[in-house]
Amino acid sequence: GENVEQHPSTLSVQEGDSAVIKCTYSDSASNYFPWYKQELGKGPQLIIDIRSNVGEKKDQRIAVTLNKTAKHFSLHITETQPEDSAVYFCAASSAGGYQKVTFGTGTKLQVIP
Amino acid sequence: DAGVTQSPTHLIKTRGQQVTLRCSPKSGHDTVSWYQQALGQGPQFIFQYYEEEERQRGNFPDRFSGHQFPNYSSELNVNALLLGDSALYLCASLSRRSGVYEQYFGPGTRLTVT
Repeated sequence: GENVEQHPSTLSVQEGDSAVIKCTYSDSASNYFPWYKQELGKGPQLIIDIRSNVGEKKDQRIAVTLNKTAKHFSLHITETQPEDSAVYFCAASSAGGYQKVTFGTGTKLQVIP
Repeated sequence: DAGVTQSPTHLIKTRGQQVTLRCSPKSGHDTVSWYQQALGQGPQFIFQYYEEEERQRGNFPDRFSGHQFPNYSSELNVNALLLGDSALYLCASLSRRSGVYEQYFGPGTRLTVT
């Protein structure tokens, strides 16, 4: 089955700096890669996603890149703000996301004011 | 527009007991997936229901079972509870019919087994 590895497990940045979280996946059949933000006491919230036919996608301060050959994908947050502090999960799915989604182990991001 | 709702919020059970968790999908969604999230870990897929049938299952024992009702709401049942079943149980919904593949998660049910 699919295995998703995520690094780093914790990340501290100064407000205004950029944050990068990296993930690798094992199943070449995976074609949908969502990223979730989970705040304390809440369920994961989808913040951005990318499909395997796209190499990069951007939404305001958030961008994701995908390297299918290397089975790597990354989340980039620019101009970080204190409210970006949360746990971020990368994930992978085949069947375009309609079925099982396999999550990484999470990155706890702390943005220091 | 109501999002995904789950009940109860918290639950404390004793080893060996049985528990039922409930989920109402986001309005317009027809597919429900259940995940288990242990403390400090990512969610792990338990199973998915669509058209009242289990469509896909993760690596969970038969003690975990579910049901989907005609109104698309769903239940997760866990029998013979173990201490290791203590976790946050998350429900997520999407719409296969409408082509909405993004999963929307509920706030979860925190289950503690003593």
